[in-house]
Amino acid sequence: GAGVSQSPSNKVTEKGKDVELRCDPISGHTALYWYRQSLGQGLEFLIYFQGNSAPDKSGLPSDRFSAERTGGSVSTLTIQRTQQEDSAVYLCASSLGSIDSYEQYFGPGTRLTVT
Amino acid sequence: GDSVTQMEGPVTLSEEAFLTINCTYTATGYPSLFWYVQYPGEGLQLLLKATKADDKGSNKGFEATYRKETTSFHLEKGSVQVSDSAVYFCALSGYGGSQGNLIFGKGTKLSVKP
Repeated sequence: GAGVSQSPSNKVTEKGKDVELRCDPISGHTALYWYRQSLGQGLEFLIYFQGNSAPDKSGLPSDRFSAERTGGSVSTLTIQRTQQEDSAVYLCASSLGSIDSYEQYFGPGTRLTVT
Repeated sequence: GDSVTQMEGPVTLSEEAFLTINCTYTATGYPSLFWYVQYPGEGLQLLLKATKADDKGSNKGFEATYRKETTSFHLEKGSVQVSDSAVYFCALSGYGGSQGNLIFGKGTKLSVKP
């Protein structure tokens, strides 16, 4: 079956511009996670959704970052006024539920480059 | 807060060599522990996991045992193959597993030479 998909696969943007990253989880997966992978910081948790709710936003690095999920399916991560330190690979994962007994399936990621 | 420390890479081995990648953790509660693998050009995928102390996770010849007394989850394989070349990440589930979000180590790049 189809896995987690993310778009775009690559995004180059100028500093100060806003970007939207999209994640399509596996059908039927109620939990959705966003992570960021960068050379300096490794893999960092950003935010997770159970259904359309985001109980834990503690990983968002600043108020320029926001995310939403609609219809318990697609999620978008928005970064406003991008900065060079936002350059990273943004990974999305989904799972059947939000406890750790459920395996997380990762998408291929969106590589964001801020120039 | 919770954290994972794994050995720095890169690690270069010859085919059929024995592999150990060390991983230690700091956590409150009783998290599950995981090893994820990222093959070149591919996404992260779960390699193995253990959900409680003394559990052993295993898959594709890899093994790791959840050691609460030493807060460790070292990855081992008896005989590596060229196809095992990848980046390996140790992880634990945050908040004792109640939410499922993963806390990762920085990754260890393994290269296996024929």
